[in-house]
Amino acid sequence: NAGVTQTPKFQVLKTGQSMTLQCAQDMNHEYMSWYRQDPGMGLRLIHYSVGAGITDQGEVPNGYNVSRSTTEDFPLRLLSAAPSQTSVYFCASSTGTSGKSSYNEQFFGPGTRLTVL
Amino acid sequence: LAKTTQPISMDSYEGQEVNITCSHNNIATNDYITWYQQFPSQGPRFIIQGYKTKVTNEVASLFIPADRKSSTLSLPRVSLSDTAVYYCLVGPDSGGYQKVTFGTGTKLQVIP
Repeated sequence: NAGVTQTPKFQVLKTGQSMTLQCAQDMNHEYMSWYRQDPGMGLRLIHYSVGAGITDQGEVPNGYNVSRSTTEDFPLRLLSAAPSQTSVYFCASSTGTSGKSSYNEQFFGPGTRLTVL
Repeated sequence: LAKTTQPISMDSYEGQEVNITCSHNNIATNDYITWYQQFPSQGPRFIIQGYKTKVTNEVASLFIPADRKSSTLSLPRVSLSDTAVYYCLVGPDSGGYQKVTFGTGTKLQVIP
């Protein structure tokens, strides 16, 4: 199993550009989440999904869109990049089998380091 | 959800046992305690989870007193490769998706 994969590893954008961060998992997990991590801070939840076709907002959703058309993929779209979105982005997945919560083991991807100029 | 408090940073020499304590005074009856490890430039990695008393795996031990208002992650004989940020999380293990809260964690620096 590849686990959770993210592409690209690094990206530089200009203010106003749009882009999509890709995330895929091969563990058949129901739950997938996007977090951002700023220097010296913990992870903050952007958006999450509890299954294909179901998404919802996390703590810091503004400026980001998500969709989940398949169990495996959960892309994060930046609509119009701003310098405040400079951060490291992590995708995570966990099983929701038997009603398990996301406080059970989450598997994280390697992250995407995004710089917005 | 229960709020957690843990030290911002700790230093330890190689070969020592390191204990990181997390305070969670408002822990609920159905909450579990989970610890993650994050190396620089990597995503967090699950280390251990427990409900009460002691849990041990190949990486660490987790000690939880009877009142469950705190917990201690114990790393035996640390090496330089244990330098990382350690996060303590408290929340239920069932009931569907929860918005998991990661604080700033404890930055452990292992010194040669």
